[in-house]
Amino acid sequence: NAGVTQTPKFRILKIGQSMTLQCTQDMNHNYMYWYRQDPGMGLKLIYYSVGAGITDKGEVPNGYNVSRSTTEDFPLRLELAAPSQTSVYFCASSYSGGSDNEQFFGPGTRLTVL
Amino acid sequence: GENVEQHPSTLSVQEGDSAVIKCTYSDSASNYFPWYKQELGKRPQLIIDIRSNVGEKKDQRIAVTLNKTAKHFSLHITETQPEDSAVYFCAASMTDSWGKFQFGAGTQVVVTP
Repeated sequence: NAGVTQTPKFRILKIGQSMTLQCTQDMNHNYMYWYRQDPGMGLKLIYYSVGAGITDKGEVPNGYNVSRSTTEDFPLRLELAAPSQTSVYFCASSYSGGSDNEQFFGPGTRLTVL
Repeated sequence: GENVEQHPSTLSVQEGDSAVIKCTYSDSASNYFPWYKQELGKRPQLIIDIRSNVGEKKDQRIAVTLNKTAKHFSLHITETQPEDSAVYFCAASMTDSWGKFQFGAGTQVVVTP
């Protein structure tokens, strides 16, 4: 199993550009999450999904959109990139949303908006 | 909603000494408390977790304790080694929260030889 994979690893965007961060998991997990991690800070939840076709906002959803058309994929879309979106983005998945299930993280995407 | 505070933000220990990181949570309904380790430039990885029906859990050199009354839980690392240097995050989750974690801000642990 590859686990949770993310592409790209690094990206530099200009203000106002758009991009999609890709996330795929091959563990047949129902639940998927997108986090951002700012320097020296913890992980903030952007969006999450409990299954194909079902998504919901997390703590910091503004400026982002998601979709979940398949169990495996959970892309994160940035529209009109802003410097405040400079961060490291992690995708994670878990088998179910029970309160005691481990979340498995992808390797992250480091995004810089200039 | 749930709020998790983590202290200290940085911790420097001599190799062989113990390290303790403490987290407090606000929502008494939280019942699952994982700890993640993140090495520089890497992804967070689960190292130990504890559920609310247990007061302590140990795995080799690491242990976690939970005080539900005081709403705090702690990570204990004994006989620290250079490879323990990393950022450690605590988190809290509750039933019916769709598996969402509220993470602490992290503790940078530096183990000096």
